[in-house]
Amino acid sequence: SQTIHQWPATLVQPVGSPLSLECTVEGTSNPNLYWYRQAAGRGLQLLFYSVGIGQISSEVPQNLSASRPQDRQFILSSKKLLLSDSGFYLCAWRHRDRNQPQHFGDGTRLSIL
Amino acid sequence: SQKIEQNSEALNIQEGKTATLTCNYTNYSPAYLQWYRQDPGRGPVFLLLIRENEKEKRKERLKVTFDTTLKQSLFHITASQPADSATYLCALGDTVRGSTLGRLYFGRGTQLTVWP
Repeated sequence: SQTIHQWPATLVQPVGSPLSLECTVEGTSNPNLYWYRQAAGRGLQLLFYSVGIGQISSEVPQNLSASRPQDRQFILSSKKLLLSDSGFYLCAWRHRDRNQPQHFGDGTRLSIL
Repeated sequence: SQKIEQNSEALNIQEGKTATLTCNYTNYSPAYLQWYRQDPGRGPVFLLLIRENEKEKRKERLKVTFDTTLKQSLFHITASQPADSATYLCALGDTVRGSTLGRLYFGRGTQLTVWP
């Protein structure tokens, strides 16, 4: 069966520090991968998606970037964190076929001080 | 831009009753719509998917309807139980028919509490 792992589960970082969140998927190949942010009281906002290695599309302009160095690895990064980057970050994968559901990891709670 | 509204932030019902959650959207024509359940501190879990050419889908005690004319989906939980207490999220799929990008756009969710 397929599994998705995100780490760390929680992270406290100072403003201006760099960020690297990692997500890996097991048990499938060629998945579509997604990064979302969920701010308090708001819905999930799609940040990035990827349909293959090295292929990244951004949904919203922001202070973050994403990379996919391997088929089942998706990384969310920032060179300098802002206070507004605080939130709950979720990674998800999906089979490439049409009309498939997404499967989410358990997220990283990021607090910026 | 598209707008997705879920009827209320919170819904409280008594055990055994049917919970009905509403998802309305504007400026959008999704090829499909999905419902997810999210527990505190966890990622969303997929429940049901309904395509634009389907009127209704069922899975055990769950039922979802999709009215593309009204631009509305209803999500029902029959014989609700305290274990059904969670936040339920509506998500709209891509507008491009046949797309494999699989992007989803989520509402803010409705927090359901089922009391004994």
